[in-house]
Amino acid sequence: KNQVEQSPQSLIILEGKNCTLQCNYTVSPFSNLRWYKQDTGRGPVSLTIMTFSENTKSNGRYTATLDADTKQSSLHITASQLSDSASYICVVLSGGSYIPTFGRGTSLIVHP
Amino acid sequence: EPEVTQTPSHQVTQMGQEVILRCVPISNHLYFYWYRQILGQKVEFLVSFYNNEISEKSEIFDDQFSVERPDGSNFTLKIRSTKLEDSAMYFCASSDGQYNEQFFGPGTRLTVL
Repeated sequence: KNQVEQSPQSLIILEGKNCTLQCNYTVSPFSNLRWYKQDTGRGPVSLTIMTFSENTKSNGRYTATLDADTKQSSLHITASQLSDSASYICVVLSGGSYIPTFGRGTSLIVHP
Repeated sequence: EPEVTQTPSHQVTQMGQEVILRCVPISNHLYFYWYRQILGQKVEFLVSFYNNEISEKSEIFDDQFSVERPDGSNFTLKIRSTKLEDSAMYFCASSDGQYNEQFFGPGTRLTVL
């Protein structure tokens, strides 16, 4: 069964600090992996999309990595801001059919 | 900046009633999706729609659900006979390619009493 596991479940950091969120998946065959930011009560917003051949992709202060061999991805947030407080969701798409597998998300709280 | 819109923002209905949730995708997008998120749980895929037909659907998308693109701009999700467990936030999304970035709407919160 396809699964996406994220850790930690929640994280509290101080403004200005960096953090890294983890995503492990068992989706096969693999097509691409996405990171989303979801503010409370809002729809997810795409941060990055990574295909099998991509190891790193950046979007401003967000940098995602992908290790397709170990089936792991990480999202690194640099110099966190209060507005980074949100849930960060890892989603993996399988090849051949579009049925995404969502992780439960990491809830990030950034304190001043 | 173009965005996906959804109406209503909140819908309250009685169990057994039919509801229609409406979405206006971004105008040049060709792929449309519905997702749901039960309070406190993860987002779940319901259905994808392309070229006026369903391209993929999950196990959740059973016979009580249907989707339609009644005109060139709207994309609807109908739940025929709502159950208590249908209470959730329903998100519509659209993209210009099956594996391209998806843009989500703000969601419709459905409460079934």
